[in-house]
Amino acid sequence: QVQLVQSGAEVKKPGASVKVSCKASGYTFTGYFLHWVRQAPGQGLQCMGWINPDSGATYYAQKFQGRVTMTGDMSINTAYLELSSLTSDDTAVYYCARGGITPSGPKFGNEYWGQGTLVTVSS
Amino acid sequence: EIVLTQSPGTLSLSPGERATLSCRASQSVSSSYLAWYQQKPGQAPRLLIYGASSRATGIPDRFSGSGSGTDFTLTISRLEPEDFAVYYCQDYGSSPWTFGQGTKVEIK
Repeated sequence: QVQLVQSGAEVKKPGASVKVSCKASGYTFTGYFLHWVRQAPGQGLQCMGWINPDSGATYYAQKFQGRVTMTGDMSINTAYLELSSLTSDDTAVYYCARGGITPSGPKFGNEYWGQGTLVTVSS
Repeated sequence: EIVLTQSPGTLSLSPGERATLSCRASQSVSSSYLAWYQQKPGQAPRLLIYGASSRATGIPDRFSGSGSGTDFTLTISRLEPEDFAVYYCQDYGSSPWTFGQGTKVEIK
């Protein structure tokens, strides 16, 4: 069965960087886009962008451009989200979620999600 | 970037009642690439509906989606106790895949 398993909670100081991992199993890792979505405490869902694990192509939402890097390692079926220059506003649960078929196949929304990784930014 | 506005913000209903949730887009959603998700506290979102009206795998038939263009609706025909949650719509027609702000369905 399809599973996305994320790394554990992180506590970071303002100005630091954080790297969250998302290990995929149960499907061909390079066959689907991988999206990152975050949710601040008590707030809604915010799309951060996506990566095509096959080509390495990425899309970053404007709000995060310059601070976010999404990468993938095909050898271990794992995607990574790195966010730099953290502030308290970045305190949130970060989710990875599977997207459509690469490179331009059908898409059905985000059918599979990781369990989420809480990132707390505090001095 | 398409902006999705959901209404109402909160819906107070009793088990067995019908729930109607609205999602309005700032511009037409291409090819009806509109999805609905359910989220319970402490859990990841769960895909309910994609393509505006197709139920995802394992979703009960009391959940239905409709609409096109800029106006979409999620209907829960008879609320079960496990349906009380927050619901989000999402445009996945073009990047970024934006979400509405959510509608909370609470027990009256």
